[in-house]
Amino acid sequence: DGGITQSPKYLFRKEGQNVTLSCEQNLNHDAMYWYRQDPGQGLRLIYYSQIVNDFQKGDIAEGYSVSREKKESFPLTVTSAQKNPTAFYLCASSTRGAGGQKTPPDTQYFGPGTRLTVL
Amino acid sequence: QKEVEQNSGPLSVPEGAIASLNCTYSDRGSQSFFWYRQYSGKSPELIMSIYSNGDKEDGRFTAQLNKASQYVSLLIRDSQPSDSATYLCAVRTSGTYKYIFGTGTRLKVLA
Repeated sequence: DGGITQSPKYLFRKEGQNVTLSCEQNLNHDAMYWYRQDPGQGLRLIYYSQIVNDFQKGDIAEGYSVSREKKESFPLTVTSAQKNPTAFYLCASSTRGAGGQKTPPDTQYFGPGTRLTVL
Repeated sequence: QKEVEQNSGPLSVPEGAIASLNCTYSDRGSQSFFWYRQYSGKSPELIMSIYSNGDKEDGRFTAQLNKASQYVSLLIRDSQPSDSATYLCAVRTSGTYKYIFGTGTRLKVLA
């Protein structure tokens, strides 16, 4: 089955600790994204990557870091510099060009999410 | 700041009625528009995508796009209680693969 996986589903972090959220996709998508969602709010972009070894800051990148060493993987590290990290984190991927007949071009698909709680 | 605006709701409709969800966007160069459904505690799932002016129908769902008015809407016909969720409007900004999301409209379908 093609799709996007995120792990873990739930994550608890102590104050001052760095944690890494995993995101893997086997859709052969070039672009990958990380969003944060707080209760009752929309999605806010943290980082995105259009190709391997390249990524750009989104609207709320402070306190987060990413890497894109492989096309399939886009891990997010939440550092101790992120003062309020409790949130629902969503990874997504999309094609960059025209999709196949059943896949609209540039559609973004989401993983199941990781819920991070600071203790 | 490029924005996507939605009424947060809740929008309550009786079962079997048509639910109408609206979204406006500020970037005139936007070319790709998406509607996602998000159940509580779950990730967004794609409902519809639309790229050109007019209507696009898929089952009970119809997306409508008016680029001149910078307006996109989603109609849900024969609404069911299982349609109760938050509906997110998303726009891909021109010249990038960055997507801007609205804050979502919460829909309640009353049995």
